[in-house]
Amino acid sequence: KAGVTQTPRYLIKTRGQQVTLSCSPISGHRSVSWYQQTPGQGLQFLFEYFSETQRNKGNFPGRFSGRQFSNSRSEMNVSTLELGDSALYLCASSDLGGGYGYTFGSGTRLTVV
Amino acid sequence: GESVGLHLPTLSVQEGDNSIINCAYSNSASDYFIWYKQESGKGPQFIIDIRSNMDKRQGQRVTVLLNKTVKHLSLQIAATQPGDSAVYFCAEILNTDKLIFGTGTRLQVFP
Repeated sequence: KAGVTQTPRYLIKTRGQQVTLSCSPISGHRSVSWYQQTPGQGLQFLFEYFSETQRNKGNFPGRFSGRQFSNSRSEMNVSTLELGDSALYLCASSDLGGGYGYTFGSGTRLTVV
Repeated sequence: GESVGLHLPTLSVQEGDNSIINCAYSNSASDYFIWYKQESGKGPQFIIDIRSNMDKRQGQRVTVLLNKTVKHLSLQIAATQPGDSAVYFCAEILNTDKLIFGTGTRLQVFP
């Protein structure tokens, strides 16, 4: 079956801009979680959506937001980009959520200049 | 490929040897632990998991050991191969609702 698809694969944005990243989960999975990966901080949990509702949230500023659509596809948005937002953004889908049975996508590499 | 962690501890092993990757987890209330492998340019890939009511679990060429007393987890890879070269993360599920990752260890396999 098809895996988790993240688009775009690479993105370059300027400070102050906003960006939207997309994640298509495995068919039938209702949970989508987002992580930020940087060399300094490792993999940090952003938020989880389950059946269109935000179920859990990490310790990130309000500039980071997300949503999930009725087909379980999810988007995350970062507004007013900062240089420190440069990272690999990963999404994971599962049918249970809460960390169980996660399958990760290959990520979107965001570079803020 | 992408660098997924410039500040990671590194384990270098010779092809064919056994590898042991260690991890200290943070929360004594965590009841489920997972090891992931991340290759350059890819997301983390599930390797093996273990519940807190177990102290050992074996898979194909991999074994996970859990010591709850000292909150320590280890991943053993038998007969390490070049394709095992990657970054390995342990992760714990906290309060049954959030997956928290450890720092990661880079495994390098040389001939």
